[in-house]
Amino acid sequence: AQKITQTQPGMFVQEKEAVTLDCTYDTSDPSYGLFWYKQPSSGEMIFLIYQGSYDQQNATEGRYSLNFQKARKSANLVISASQLGDSAMYFCAMREGRNTGGFKTIFGAGTRLFVKA
Amino acid sequence: GAVVSQHPSRVICKSGTSVKIECRSLDFQATTMFWYRQFPKQSLMLMATSNEGSKATYEQGVEKDKFLINHASLTLSTLTVTSAHPEDSSFYICSAPRGGRAMTDTQYFGPGTRLTVL
Repeated sequence: AQKITQTQPGMFVQEKEAVTLDCTYDTSDPSYGLFWYKQPSSGEMIFLIYQGSYDQQNATEGRYSLNFQKARKSANLVISASQLGDSAMYFCAMREGRNTGGFKTIFGAGTRLFVKA
Repeated sequence: GAVVSQHPSRVICKSGTSVKIECRSLDFQATTMFWYRQFPKQSLMLMATSNEGSKATYEQGVEKDKFLINHASLTLSTLTVTSAHPEDSSFYICSAPRGGRAMTDTQYFGPGTRLTVL
């Protein structure tokens, strides 16, 4: 069963505006971590932000913030003041705590973000 | 910061040959590494977990005899695609969590290897 769902295959945003990329997840493990990665056309995976299931506050990292709604099992990424360099593929990912394989991480299908000048 | 390297970055081979891809953690030791494959415009699919000193753990549907994984040392894991066929053409990415066991351990990704099988 798919555990990470990203329903937006593509998103457009005007430069300097904010954009929200959706992510919902499914797990029965009370301990888990949620991640967002950026993948530009070069293919490298760039870590953006992390949210732990027990964290009381939403994570923020510069222009990135994570809107964590635990009851709804959603972990949306908000990018403020979009820049042209933000155009890339964005992946939501989850790591479950009970996994004994060194905390393997699974990824959603991704959302391609296009920033318009 | 921590860096994970992969070699080669790009390889083109003939059908039926075997290809070895190396994944190295450059400034930290990794008892566990992960191998993913990514088809064009698709997500990363976990193939297997590479464990130093023991056998790799493969995800359901991944042929272990097709994709041989060897975690030779605390800084090196190799993925060998045996008897490669055109359908094996993909982008292969490795990752290594620094620390290895904590939920918050940052997972560093290699730059990926693009395999094209003719």
